[in-house]
Amino acid sequence: SQQGEEDPQALSIQEGENATMNCSYKTSINNLQWYRQNSGRGLVHLILIRSNEREKHSGRLRVTLDTSKKSSSLLITASRAADTASYFCATDAAGGYQKVTFGTGTKLQVIP
Amino acid sequence: DTEVTQTPKHLVMGMTNKKSLKCEQHMGHRAMYWYKQKAKKPPELMFVYSYEKLSINESVPSRFSPECPNSSLLNLHLHALQPEDSALYLCASSQDKGKNTGELFFGEGSRLTVL
Repeated sequence: SQQGEEDPQALSIQEGENATMNCSYKTSINNLQWYRQNSGRGLVHLILIRSNEREKHSGRLRVTLDTSKKSSSLLITASRAADTASYFCATDAAGGYQKVTFGTGTKLQVIP
Repeated sequence: DTEVTQTPKHLVMGMTNKKSLKCEQHMGHRAMYWYKQKAKKPPELMFVYSYEKLSINESVPSRFSPECPNSSLLNLHLHALQPEDSALYLCASSQDKGKNTGELFFGEGSRLTVL
C-alpha cells in the first residue's frame, strides 16, 4: 500500500510563479525524498530530508517536514517551463529499511 | 543522463512468451530495486536486492522472477504474463547505508506491453 498522498493532484501555474506541493504519510519515517518524473521516463532525485530535520534547501527547491503532522511540502520558486513534470514524495518507514514507497504524485504544468 | 541502464527500452510479448528485462549500474551500489508503474500512477515497489540477496518481495506473482547475478546487474524474468502486467518497469539502485535508505538512482525504464 502507498505510504504517501499528495495534493494537489494537478497544478497549473505561469512561468515565474511559485509552486507548492504537499505530501502526507501514514507511519513514522526515517527520511522523506522528493523525485521528479518527466512523462514516461525515469525518476530523478531532487532532495532528501531526514526525520530529524525540519527544512532543507537546494537551489530553487525548499522542502519542509513536520513529523508531528506526518506531512511535507515542496516549494519550487520562480518556476520555469522545464519544471513541467510529475513530482512524487517517497518515504522509507521507520523499521522499513529500503522499502521506499511513493506518494500519489502531483502533476505540475508551468505555462510559458 | 542516468547511470542506471535498462534494456530493452520497449518490449512487446505474448502471454506465452518468456522474456527478460535487464538493469546495470556501475556506481558501486549494493542495493538494487524493481518498481512497476502503471499510467498516471506512482511507482510500486516489487523487489529489493541487498548485497545480491533478495531482501524484499512485495508479494509479487511468481510469473515475475528477479535475479541478481552480481552487484552490478539485476534481471527480471517474465513468463506467462497477463495484459494487465503491461506497464513501465523501473530499475533503481542505492548505496547501502545501514539503517537509512538514501537516494535512489533510476534508469529510464522498460516499457512492457503484453498482448
